[in-house]
Order: sequence, then structure tokens, then C-alpha cells
Amino acid sequence: GAGVSQTPSNKVTEKGKYVELRCDPISGHTALYWYRQSLGQGPEFLIYFQGTGAADDSGLPNDRFFAVRPEGSVSTLKIQRTERGDSAMYLCASSQRGYRGAADTQYFGPGTRLTVL
Amino acid sequence: KQEVTQIPAALSVPEGENLVLNCSFTDSAIYNLQWFRQDPGKGLTSLLLIQSSQREQTSGRLNASLDKSSGRSTLYIAASQPGDSATYLCAVYLSTGAGSYQLTFGKGTKLSVIP
Repeated sequence: GAGVSQTPSNKVTEKGKYVELRCDPISGHTALYWYRQSLGQGPEFLIYFQGTGAADDSGLPNDRFFAVRPEGSVSTLKIQRTERGDSAMYLCASSQRGYRGAADTQYFGPGTRLTVL
Repeated sequence: KQEVTQIPAALSVPEGENLVLNCSFTDSAIYNLQWFRQDPGKGLTSLLLIQSSQREQTSGRLNASLDKSSGRSTLYIAASQPGDSATYLCAVYLSTGAGSYQLTFGKGTKLSVIP
């Protein structure tokens, strides 16, 4: 597509529920990133995919968070047993390569606003 | 750990003024630096990317500079307009050693341009 897309744009859920957030990167981009932005803060890194594999998941806060990218394109961020503290804007970005030696520009999607009641 | 600081946190200026937003980072071993704009409740719009070998980039009324040795970047906005009102975020590309480049962001400067 023309840009990074994310669905849904807004998600409201209850504490303890499971949610999935979807990211569709720019066509041909092999690198995909997830970030989380709390109110009044800058985005914070969660996980990075190069192709189908999670090359760096050091930013995931705990084991309730998991992400997949089975075919090297669309990615899904999954949050189990949601907590009120998970409420934030979840941003996805993609870049052309992303491997060492080429810090390619990351292009961001519009984000998913998650609210946990 | 890389820390990115943006000063001021908020800025209000009358329309037509030139202004400067500041960004500082603690680890000079960065690759690129990028400035973003974020409107309330929206995602990030890339404004300017400065590669590590460059010292500045310009786009229209925007000019961004980078001084890696001092750990500073500035975003200059000329002839500000009410439509420039938004939060401006600075982010540095830092190698994680795992083959990826994480972006580390500042908290942003909230700009209000008064008509």
C-alpha cells in the first residue's frame, strides 16, 4: 500500500481481556517495528522484525505481550490479560531493510489507541 | 542508556515568528536523527531525517541541524503559522547490537502558534 496502515484505529476493552492489534507495512519493507506511546511521553520501542523473525524483542514489557509476522508482511501485536496500564497508543513502523549498516528511515502508521477499562 | 531530552516542553508563539526547538542526547554514537510532528491523538509524521554524516537538512520552512559531538540537534521553523501547532518529537537511531536500529524518542515539545 501507499503507507503503513494499522487497525483498529481505536480499541476499548475490559481488564483481563485479550486483544490483537494489526499492522500492514509498506509493500516491500522487510523491517517492521512496534512502539508504545503513553500519554505525554515519547514512543518506546517494543519489538523489531526482520522478515518473519523477531530479531529484537527486548522492549516487550512482560510475557503478556507477543507479536508475530508469519509471512513477513502483516504483523499482529497480541496482548493477553490486559491491564489498565496497557492503555496507550500503539504505533507500528516499517523500513526498507533495517539491518546493520543501514539505518533506514522508519515510516509510521496512524497508530491504534488502546483503552483498557 | 541513551536519553533524549527536548526543551522546552511547551512553547507558545504569535503567528509569523521564527522559532527553535532543541533536542539533546546523551550517547553521541547515534546513526541518524529524525524529527517528527504529531497532531493530537494521531500518529507520527516524519519532517526531516539527518544522516550521521550530515550536519543539517532543510525542507521548506524547516531546517534541522545535528552536532553529534555535543549531542545536540535543533529544529528551526521560519515564519510560523497556526497550522504548525502540534507536538514535535526528536528521535535518534541507535544500533541495538542485535542487528536493528531502535528509535529513542524525546518527550516532545508542544508548539502553539497563536493567530
